[in-house]
Amino acid sequence: DAKTTQPNSMESNEEEPVHLPCNHSTISGTDYIHWYRQLPSQGPEYVIHGLTSNVNNRMASLAIAEDRKSSTLILHRATLRDAAVYYCILRDTSGAGSYQLTFGKGTKLSVIP
Amino acid sequence: DAGVIQSPRHEVTEMGQEVTLRCKPISGHNSLFWYRQTMMRGLELLIYFNNNVPIDDSGMPEDRFSAKMPNASFSTLKIQPSEPRDSAVYFCASRQGTSATYEQYFGPGTRLTVT
Repeated sequence: DAKTTQPNSMESNEEEPVHLPCNHSTISGTDYIHWYRQLPSQGPEYVIHGLTSNVNNRMASLAIAEDRKSSTLILHRATLRDAAVYYCILRDTSGAGSYQLTFGKGTKLSVIP
Repeated sequence: DAGVIQSPRHEVTEMGQEVTLRCKPISGHNSLFWYRQTMMRGLELLIYFNNNVPIDDSGMPEDRFSAKMPNASFSTLKIQPSEPRDSAVYFCASRQGTSATYEQYFGPGTRLTVT
């Protein structure tokens, strides 16, 4: 899988928007951008994914740069429950290894009450 | 749906003992994954099953580790003999279909401590 780069940690105030960046300058045309998060003492959970266009769901929004070399996960109003490690992952849909999720170190988000 | 179910949630055992971790995937999901998470190495894929058949076991650390999926609703990960360096949280995940766009659903994990 192509490599992603994320900040080690970020802080946000409760009820404010949070923008979590991810750089993936070596992304290929068949790579989907996936985001997962892991709350303390829990397994990872899916957040959102996209290919080229911006995406919205009930949990978050995903903004993808026009050249696809970076993306941003947007939490519109951070709550204490959003404190977690957020992973940005590229999924190659073309190869035999398309089933794989390769987790990096992610960004640890702290939410301040 | 109850989600992915793993048992036990916590396991403490002595070095040299056999350990068996269990997983029940979400009904209807035909892909199953075992992961291991440690502070040093993060989350690592150990093995991937599709339709009960092991497809990729390249992440299994060594012969002491084995995994089976006798049917669509049950999988085991066995460590024999266990060693202190096997201490980690082991996650099972399942997914519907083989498309890379499908998300994986993770269980709560089994925290294994080998003394």
